[in-house]
Amino acid sequence: DTEVTQTPKHLVMGMTNKKSLKCEQHMGHRAMYWYKQKAKKPPELMFVYSYEKLSINESVPSRFSPECPNSSLLNLHLHALQPEDSALYLCASSQGLGTTGPLAKNIQYFGAGTRLSVL
Amino acid sequence: KNEVEQSPQNLTAQEGEFITINCSYSVGISALHWLQQHPGGGIVSLFMLSSGKKKHGRLIATINIQEKHSSLHITASHPRDSAVYICAASYSNYQLIWGAGTKLIIKP
Repeated sequence: DTEVTQTPKHLVMGMTNKKSLKCEQHMGHRAMYWYKQKAKKPPELMFVYSYEKLSINESVPSRFSPECPNSSLLNLHLHALQPEDSALYLCASSQGLGTTGPLAKNIQYFGAGTRLSVL
Repeated sequence: KNEVEQSPQNLTAQEGEFITINCSYSVGISALHWLQQHPGGGIVSLFMLSSGKKKHGRLIATINIQEKHSSLHITASHPRDSAVYICAASYSNYQLIWGAGTKLIIKP
């Protein structure tokens, strides 16, 4: 199973709403990522978790709050978003983050994304 | 500055044609990734290369470390190959530097 599952596929929310995006993988990967992708642009890294601990926060506004309850699950909690936050949110996972050992452990497996619209 | 450049930006071809997409990067990398994204969809990792050549079905990826250049080839192209193809370079253990993508359309 090389699948990363993201739910929901689509989400429409108002600027005062609170919602969450969910990402799940059962490959035993210990690194998980959130990316934001605007139309016709490459993905931008938001957060990286390694062994359920937040390793990287790419200066993301606090209205985005990640959570990693266990090694298989990654959430992104959304609160008081702005219309410019509308984008495709992609989750990814990899075996690890290390620079030593096989490079294959750095291959990132992506989910299908959640298309978010903020009204 | 670490940069990744792809060409062409857009490519339209007839079914059956041999397709080549190019990627160049500015400094030494640990690995070069080729990924595929269908419209409105998620991303699929096709290859990760650090040297030489890899083949999977009709897809072939090559990398020339000295030239800092990689190519993705599609043989016997098919309309279902229509997608955006992205190359991304790994310079560290997690960071991917993304190319702008090549939008490929294969006409029947």
